[in-house]
Parts: sequence; C-alpha cells; structure tokens
Amino acid sequence: DVKVTQSSRYLVKRTGEKVFLECVQDMDHENMFWYRQDPGLGLRLIYFSYDVKMKEKGDIPEGYSVSREKKERFSLILESASTNQTSMYLCASSFDRLNTEAFFGQGTRLTVV
Amino acid sequence: AQKITQTQPGMFVQEKEAVTLDCTYDTSDPSYGLFWYKQPSSGEMIFLIYQGSYDQQNATEGRYSLNFQKARKSANLVISASQLGDSAMYFCASRGITGANNLFFGTGTRLTVIP
Repeated sequence: DVKVTQSSRYLVKRTGEKVFLECVQDMDHENMFWYRQDPGLGLRLIYFSYDVKMKEKGDIPEGYSVSREKKERFSLILESASTNQTSMYLCASSFDRLNTEAFFGQGTRLTVV
Repeated sequence: AQKITQTQPGMFVQEKEAVTLDCTYDTSDPSYGLFWYKQPSSGEMIFLIYQGSYDQQNATEGRYSLNFQKARKSANLVISASQLGDSAMYFCASRGITGANNLFFGTGTRLTVIP
C-alpha cells in the first residue's frame, strides 16, 4: 500500500514558535508538495520540490520554508508561527509524470494560539 | 499557470440519484491532466478519476464518470446512483507540462446525499 505519512495529526503551538511539519513517502516519488487548506479557499500550494535539495515557491510561500535533504522526506517550517497560520496542512507526493495522481497524507491540523 | 473554478459551494442529491459536479479550467499548457478527489469528513484526500487532455473518450471509474468538454474547458464529475457514503467535499484539480507538474485545485464542492 502506498503511503504518505505526516508526523502529526494535530498540533497546538504558541505564536512566535518555530514549527516543523514532517512528511515521508515510501513510493520513490520525485515530486513532493505542501498545501494549506482553508474553508472556501480549497487547497493552496505553499511549496513544492521536484528533487532532493530542489524547491520552488507555490502560491503562498510567505512565512514558510521547506527542506528536502532526502528523496522520501519533505519538511515544512514555520519560522515564527502566527495565528493566521492556523490551518490544515496537507502533504502530497507524485511521480514526475503528467498522467499520475498525487497521493496525500492524512493532514496536520495546526492551531497557533 | 492553471486555474480551476468550481462554482457550486454545496450540492444536495437524493440517494440513488445521479449528480453532476461542475469544474471549469483555464490553462495555456498544450497537454494537461484533470483529476477529481474526494475528501470525506475524516480529512483524507481520495483520488477518484483522471482525464488526459488528449484522451478521446471520457474517463469512467465505477460510478464515477468525467464529462470532458475540451472546447468549453469543462471537466464535470458525474456520480451515478448516489450513496450516503458519497457525502464529502469534492475537488477538481489540473496539472500541466509546465511548472514541475504542479497540481492546482479548485475551491471544492460539498456534496450531501439525502436518504
């Protein structure tokens, strides 16, 4: 069974904390993505990576950074968490082919207080 | 870049009836793929169906079919014989040959199946 695993299902952090969200895939996918999901806004791309140590900004990268040191692992970092970063975060991975779907993790619901 | 528009925030359907969820897309890529995902209340994203821009026939997967009208840039999802378990959020997405095959999503449609 293919798997994308996010390290936490629920997280509560304080304003100003540095937050790490981890994602691991076991499918040898080239592409990995971090999305943010908010009601009425759908899924918005924060960052993606198409290879180890390679990253590209998505639509809403401000306040976030990423790290991909190994092919299977893609980390999202909130440098200084703020309340407007309270959201559901979804990690996904896919092969680098047009006609293949992305596989998603179970999501991390982050609350910043 | 690609843009997906889902104009129906919410839809209701009677159990056992068919329902169509609308999706229009805008892309400048000559080749692209269209996807539908289901997100139940538990939160996981479940891939349902795929349509390639050069596919001659509309995609079907069990009770799901994709009504692909390339000239109109629409990729509507049709669910036949709705079941209570179909109640969920449904997202349309596209990916093209530019931009590292990014997957762009619409805002989703919440489908409620009424017994």
